[in-house]
This record gives sequence, C-alpha cells and structure tokens, in this order.
Amino acid sequence: AQKVTQAQTEISVVEKEDVTLDCVYETRDTTYYLFWYKQPPSGELVFLIRRNSFDEQNEISGRYSWNFQKSTSSFNFTITASQVVDSAVYFCALSEAGGTGFQKLVFGTGTRLLVSP
Amino acid sequence: DGGITQSPKYLFRKEGQNVTLSCEQNLNHDAMYWYRQDPGQGLRLIYYSQIVNDFQKGDIAEGYSVSREKKESFPLTVTSAQKNPTAFYLCASTLSQGAYGYTFGSGTRLTVV
Repeated sequence: AQKVTQAQTEISVVEKEDVTLDCVYETRDTTYYLFWYKQPPSGELVFLIRRNSFDEQNEISGRYSWNFQKSTSSFNFTITASQVVDSAVYFCALSEAGGTGFQKLVFGTGTRLLVSP
Repeated sequence: DGGITQSPKYLFRKEGQNVTLSCEQNLNHDAMYWYRQDPGQGLRLIYYSQIVNDFQKGDIAEGYSVSREKKESFPLTVTSAQKNPTAFYLCASTLSQGAYGYTFGSGTRLTVV
C-alpha cells in the first residue's frame, strides 16, 4: 500500500530563516509521481510541484527548492528566506501511475508552517 | 478564468438531514474527485469519476453519494448515514491521462448542529 509520512506536525520560524519540510513515502510502484501542495488559511490547495520517479534532479523555483532522493524515499521541500506569506499547511502527496489513467493521490497529514515577523 | 467552484463555503446541517455540496469546473477536465479533510489528517478520497455517468468509491465512501450527469458537475450528497460528517470537503479535477497535478476548489466546511 502507498503511504506518505510527514513527521513534522508544526514548524515555527522567524522571517528570513530557511526551513525544510520533510516527506517520506512508501510505494511498490516503479513509476509514480510526487507532489507538494500549499493550503493557505483560505482553504484551497495550491499546486507547487510534480516530480516523476525517473527524474531525481533537484528543482529550484525562486525561494522554493525540492530534494528528491529515491534511495531514502524522500521528497523534501525547502523554503529559503521564509516570509510571513509562507505560513500555511503544506501537503506532500504520492500518485501511482495506473494503467487505467486514474490517479489516486495519497496525501500525508500535512505540516503547518508558521512564519512570524 | 478557468477553475473549480465549490458552494456553499459554509454549510450547517441538522442531524438526520441530507445535504448536497456543489462542485463545478470549467477546465474541461475529465476526472473529478471528492476529498474529506479532518484536523490533523491528510485528505481522504470519498468518490471519484473519470467520465460522465460513471463514478467509483474511494476509501471512505460510506454515507456519501455522488452523481456525474454533466462533465462540469460532480455534486456530493452527505446522507444521514454518515455518522461523523463535520469536516472540510474539497473537490478536485484533473485531466484523465498523465499524472498532472490536481486543481482544487476552495472547499466547503460542513458542520452538524
């Protein structure tokens, strides 16, 4: 069975600090996709990144970066120079690449990030 | 602008009543999904639909029902059989092929009073 673990329930940092959100996953599939979503207080989930299992290149987008390591089944998310607007709940998710085209997303329990001024 | 619209944003239900949550998308996505979110938990899949007039149970379908009469619409009914319906409900959609990220609506918060 697929599983996503986000061991950090809540993280508090002061503005401008760097912060890393951990994500560990379990799957028997060789082809799969990993995602990160941001859920601000308004409630909607905002897509941040998708990574397929064959692409282990790290990715950087502005202050955001992601470290994908298949050897440790981890897909960690780092925010550099955090800002108050980064305060949100962040979810890591895993999708199997099913032959039917249906993509069931399995979510972690989320990490609440609080950035104070 | 394309997106998913969920209504209402807040909903109060008396015990024993059925309520229907609306989800409409104008993204021309084939697949639609309903997730439930409880405090401190991740999102759990209730139902999903890959094409019109077809839908499948997710992990926690008991006490819920759906319909997919139009591609754009995927309403969720929370029935009186759902023992603990108070939660945040999120609707999502995606293209059917390929692992594209889901697009989510802004959610409906249901409270039983």
